[in-house]
Amino acid sequence: AQSVTQLGSHVSVSEGALVLLRCNYSSSVPPYLFWYVQYPNQGLQLLLKYTSAATLVKGINGFEAEFKKSETSFHLTKPSAHMSDAAEYFCAVKGTGNQFYFGTGTSLTVIP
Amino acid sequence: KAGVTQTPRYLIKTRGQQVTLSCSPISGHRSVSWYQQTPGQGLQFLFEYFSETQRNKGNFPGRFSGRQFSNSRSEMNVSTLELGDSALYLCASSSAGGALFNNEQFFGPGTRLTVL
Repeated sequence: AQSVTQLGSHVSVSEGALVLLRCNYSSSVPPYLFWYVQYPNQGLQLLLKYTSAATLVKGINGFEAEFKKSETSFHLTKPSAHMSDAAEYFCAVKGTGNQFYFGTGTSLTVIP
Repeated sequence: KAGVTQTPRYLIKTRGQQVTLSCSPISGHRSVSWYQQTPGQGLQFLFEYFSETQRNKGNFPGRFSGRQFSNSRSEMNVSTLELGDSALYLCASSSAGGALFNNEQFFGPGTRLTVL
């Protein structure tokens, strides 16, 4: 079975500081992993996805994530937070068939 | 390419009524999934349709049902609405099926359902 766990439902960072959002996965098969972002009153937008081609994945808006099999982790980072990064972030793993399993989300607040 | 569209965007119903939500996937996408999003439960998978067939189903009561048409458009229906059904209902489409593909899901803006 596949699942993801996001540690920390709320994260606050200062503008310009490092953003680190944590995601650990559980998968009985090599996982396909995704990070999505949701702005208020909008649907989810793909930030990046792990394709197994490279362990360090670069996404949009300066975000990147590193796949670490030994730690079963896929943490999302951004070197310098912007006010516009304030949103809800979801980690997801693709399961059997085309079913996606989402974490409970991490709300990111950026403090000016 | 146009994105995933959902109608209506907002809906207010009363307990006991039924509701139908619509989703039009990205052109060429044959897989449509539905999710219920609430503050307490996060994103919960309802079901997935692929080529007009329900392929996966989440753990929701039978009051929640769906279908997909030959043009890949999908509808979900909730009968006998309860207060707890108030949520944002998200539809997502993707281009291919199967566990062998790392294709992502593309989400619509959602339908905000309020049950009074």
